[in-house]
Amino acid sequence: SQQGEEDPQALSIQEGENATMNCSYKTSINNLQWYRQNSGRGLVHLILIRSNEREKHSGRLRVTLDTSKKSSSLLITASRAADTASYFCGAGTYKYIFGTGTRLKVLA
Amino acid sequence: KAGVTQTPRYLIKTRGQQVTLSCSPISGHRSVSWYQQTPGQGLQFLFEYFSETQRNKGNFPGRFSGRQFSNSRSEMNVSTLELGDSALYLCASSEGQGAGEQFFGPGTRLTVL
Repeated sequence: SQQGEEDPQALSIQEGENATMNCSYKTSINNLQWYRQNSGRGLVHLILIRSNEREKHSGRLRVTLDTSKKSSSLLITASRAADTASYFCGAGTYKYIFGTGTRLKVLA
Repeated sequence: KAGVTQTPRYLIKTRGQQVTLSCSPISGHRSVSWYQQTPGQGLQFLFEYFSETQRNKGNFPGRFSGRQFSNSRSEMNVSTLELGDSALYLCASSEGQGAGEQFFGPGTRLTVL
């Protein structure tokens, strides 16, 4: 079973709308990271949130972490066609465990 | 700083052969982790090396091995290749050991025929 499991598996929205993706994990963690991957290429680091943090922002990205529910969410505001990609969360203590990702499609 | 580099980018092998993949971490990073990505299984952790020592290992058979050199560059070896080993192999580097901020390379696409 996966440590980080993203939900939904796929998401399709119009340009300008907000996109929200969720991630759940099973055990205690030190950090949780979100990544973007375009068409089978490498993962691009988006944001890291530590277990003692509840919310972080980076540009149009907002990440929340709820350790009591073992879940995190990634919000992309004012989405653009260029945001079309797969998004992964990796959660862990001494190593990261990833899920299978959320495939986001932003329609122009 | 230059990012994480992986060579080769693409590789085609046949069953039974062996393969070696290389990863150069970001300058100053001492930890290298390897992952296998397949459409059905997502990203799966293979192992992590820090200061030339394997620190953590995922649930992969002994055919998958690795090493790290004194300059932090790492290699991953897969022996007796199977069709199911076809995947994108990603390495990630971080400054320290364990689950700190990790930066990924572009990956090596391995196809086993």
